[in-house]
Amino acid sequence: GAVVSQHPSRVICKSGTSVKIECRSLDFQATTMFWYRQFPKQSLMLMATSNEGSKATYEQGVEKDKFLINHASLTLSTLTVTSAHPEDSSFYICSASRRDRANYGYTFGSGTRLTVV
Amino acid sequence: GESVGLHLPTLSVQEGDNSIINCAYSNSASDYFIWYKQESGKGPQFIIDIRSNMDKRQGQRVTVLLNKTVKHLSLQIAATQPGDSAVYFCAETTISGTYKYIFGTGTRLKVLA
Repeated sequence: GAVVSQHPSRVICKSGTSVKIECRSLDFQATTMFWYRQFPKQSLMLMATSNEGSKATYEQGVEKDKFLINHASLTLSTLTVTSAHPEDSSFYICSASRRDRANYGYTFGSGTRLTVV
Repeated sequence: GESVGLHLPTLSVQEGDNSIINCAYSNSASDYFIWYKQESGKGPQFIIDIRSNMDKRQGQRVTVLLNKTVKHLSLQIAATQPGDSAVYFCAETTISGTYKYIFGTGTRLKVLA
């Protein structure tokens, strides 16, 4: 099946530092990956669409310079939270799709719990 | 019964009973829908999907119903088990369009022993 690996699962960082989160598709190639943010007891909010070899497409209200996305290969997308602040603390989840005839669904990573202190 | 929590509505059911979780989707142009299950601290897991040319699809112990007229989805879980306790989200997309998935608000399912 389609497996998406996300790393790290938890990270604590100091205010003002940057944090990189990796999302890998392990057994398939993903030309498109998606990054979501989830606050406690709330739904997933799409932040951006990560396209291999091109710039990411950000949703309205998401700061491009704050959340840097790089999709350097068909199996890896990274999200870097720059100059993190406590309000950036959240659960970040990536997903990818094989987008073949049998399955249009996303496979999600296990998420990253970011805490900024 | 069903109640509104801090942010997520909660559905409490007795073990062995059937559960029905509802979702109102937003885009009348959406042509593909998925129900996801999310356990605490984990990413969402695929449960079942349905295309807009269908109104019902059955899986193992789960059934999804789609009513396009009122933009409504439901997930039925038969013989609910303790392991079904989680948050359930519906998600919609247009396969032929942007292919971005938009998630509903979610429902927390609590299975009572």
